[in-house]
Amino acid sequence: GAVVSQHPSRVICKSGTSVKIECRSLDFQATTMFWYRQFPKQSLMLMATSNEGSKATYEQGVEKDKFLINHASLTLSTLTVTSAHPEDSSFYICSAPGQEGYGYTFGSGTRLTVV
Amino acid sequence: QQQVKQSPQSLIVQKGGISIINCAYENTAFDYFPWYQQFPGKGPALLIAIRPDVSEKKEGRFTISFNKSAKQFSLHIMDSQPGDSATYFCAASMGSWGKLQFGAGTQVVVTP
Repeated sequence: GAVVSQHPSRVICKSGTSVKIECRSLDFQATTMFWYRQFPKQSLMLMATSNEGSKATYEQGVEKDKFLINHASLTLSTLTVTSAHPEDSSFYICSAPGQEGYGYTFGSGTRLTVV
Repeated sequence: QQQVKQSPQSLIVQKGGISIINCAYENTAFDYFPWYQQFPGKGPALLIAIRPDVSEKKEGRFTISFNKSAKQFSLHIMDSQPGDSATYFCAASMGSWGKLQFGAGTQVVVTP
């Protein structure tokens, strides 16, 4: 089945630094990748939609200069959290349309802690 | 404004019991209703999904009931097992590949 590999699973960074999260579609081509943020005991909040070869579309209230998304190939999308601050600490998850009939496939998530 | 309302927030059920989670939506353009299971520290995984042309769908111990006129759908977990302890999210979208609107989630704990 369709698998999305997300790395790293956990990252701790200092305030003011940048962190890159990668999502790779392993056995299929993902022309679209969705990026979500999830705070503890809360639902998934869609941050942005990335499309291969074009600019990402950001949801209202999401700072595009802070959360840089690149979808340079059909198998790789990256989210870079720039100048991270403690309030950016969260669980970030990517998702791509999988096989027909199986819905979206999600990455395993990245726990970001900014200290 | 949450487009999909989910209840209860949490649920404790004994092993072998039935877990029932309810969701309601307003947008009649939604035509794809998946349920996801999420374990701590992991991404969600699709459990089962339904379209509004059927009123019920069953896969193993998991059943979705769908009431189009009431704009409600529910997940029933039969013979609940401790391994079912997780957070469950309902969702809705326009088409299989439309943006997913998630419910708030239900934390299910199955006691031995």
